[in-house]
Amino acid sequence: QKEVEQNSGPLSVPEGAIASLNCTYSDRVSQSFFWYRQYSGKSPELIMSIYSNGDKEDGRFTAQLNKASQYVSLLIRDSQPSDSATYLCAVNRGSSASKIIFGSGTRLSIRP
Amino acid sequence: EAQVTQNPRYLITVTGKKLTVTCSQNMNHEYMSWYRQDPGLGLRQIYYSMNVEVTDKGDVPEGYKVSRKEKRNFPLILESPSPNQTSLYFCASWRVNTEAFFGQGTRLTVV
Repeated sequence: QKEVEQNSGPLSVPEGAIASLNCTYSDRVSQSFFWYRQYSGKSPELIMSIYSNGDKEDGRFTAQLNKASQYVSLLIRDSQPSDSATYLCAVNRGSSASKIIFGSGTRLSIRP
Repeated sequence: EAQVTQNPRYLITVTGKKLTVTCSQNMNHEYMSWYRQDPGLGLRQIYYSMNVEVTDKGDVPEGYKVSRKEKRNFPLILESPSPNQTSLYFCASWRVNTEAFFGQGTRLTVV
């Protein structure tokens, strides 16, 4: 079992709709969770971080964390063509180890 | 400006010719890591470092070496590169329990 799992996609969503991206993780001691957006050939860029159970909203983006279910999600409202990218879920184990592990990414395509 | 700087951005080399990819961060981060990214495989950790002189293997360490003699620098060394090390490489740094900051990436081709 991979430590951080995501559906590889591609996920195709019409422009203006809500895109929903999911991620599960296996290590219960994980303490912080991140969503990165990556355009082809470019560096990942952070779009959301979440540290406690519940929802966190930032503009069109909402991250949701459920530690009991070991589940993190990202909602993108009013999807735009510029949102077409690969979205990487990342988990930081915290403590002295503080290793960051990435999922393999979900490719999102917004169709006009 | 807070940043992680990798060099070179692009590199074409021949099998067996030793090379070093440099990584430097100016944020005083304790943790640094190297990842490689191949199509469909996501970011796979090669090595990471928790502080000066403290390093640990990641998921794909074979064929790579690292050193952390100073807090800001974390070079990746390929002693004898092979074609299966052709990939896109990223260096990243972070503080404990926070997000990773990435360098611009190094596209390496080994022929």
